[in-house]
Amino acid sequence: QVTLKESGPGILQPSQTLSLTCTFSGFSLSTYGMGVGWIRQPSGKGLEWLANIWWDDDKYYNPSLKNRLTISKDTSNNQAFLKITNVDTADTATYYCARIGPYSSYWFAYWGQGTLVTVSS
Amino acid sequence: DIQMTQSPSSLPASLGDRVTITCRASQDIGNYLRWFQQKPGKSPRLMIYGATNLAAGVPSRFSGSRSGSDYSLTISSLESEDMADYYCLQSKESPYTFGAGTKLELK
Repeated sequence: QVTLKESGPGILQPSQTLSLTCTFSGFSLSTYGMGVGWIRQPSGKGLEWLANIWWDDDKYYNPSLKNRLTISKDTSNNQAFLKITNVDTADTATYYCARIGPYSSYWFAYWGQGTLVTVSS
Repeated sequence: DIQMTQSPSSLPASLGDRVTITCRASQDIGNYLRWFQQKPGKSPRLMIYGATNLAAGVPSRFSGSRSGSDYSLTISSLESEDMADYYCLQSKESPYTFGAGTKLELK
């Protein structure tokens, strides 16, 4: 059974660094073709893809967030991480992680429940 | 970046109606198109992958099609449980991009 669960700070202040963790089970990020992606959604708005990390440590980022994103993984502990530096109120959103791969039918088939992050002074 | 133009943004419909939601890609994305359903307070659910393939557990009243750069999600006979937001996603190339969403609601 595949599960993913996001965790984060809940609330943080502008200019701080947001650190998110995706803890998953039922698959391994050491498996060929496997990946994890991060997606966010401001309340009442649409979905925005942020970043992917792959089994071979290849990484892709959404350039709209310029150089503020860093994605990483801990294969041994079945976790993926996302850091966003210099947050502001526009980063307030629910953050999701999702499994990607290894086959087309599995891309984004499994999502976590999401974690709400509020940026406020 | 590839832009996904989704329409309509809102779709009032009645139970039993046949409804169609469309996404147009600004560049060639082949069949790298997925559709998601999202209900309030829930995570997105994959409905269609590869533009036309039904994801596991999705009712057969849902279908996906492609005509050139236009991709459509059709529900053949609307049921109450289908009332939700729907999003398309292109995964042909990074950055992956979602459509703006369609709110399907009861007329």
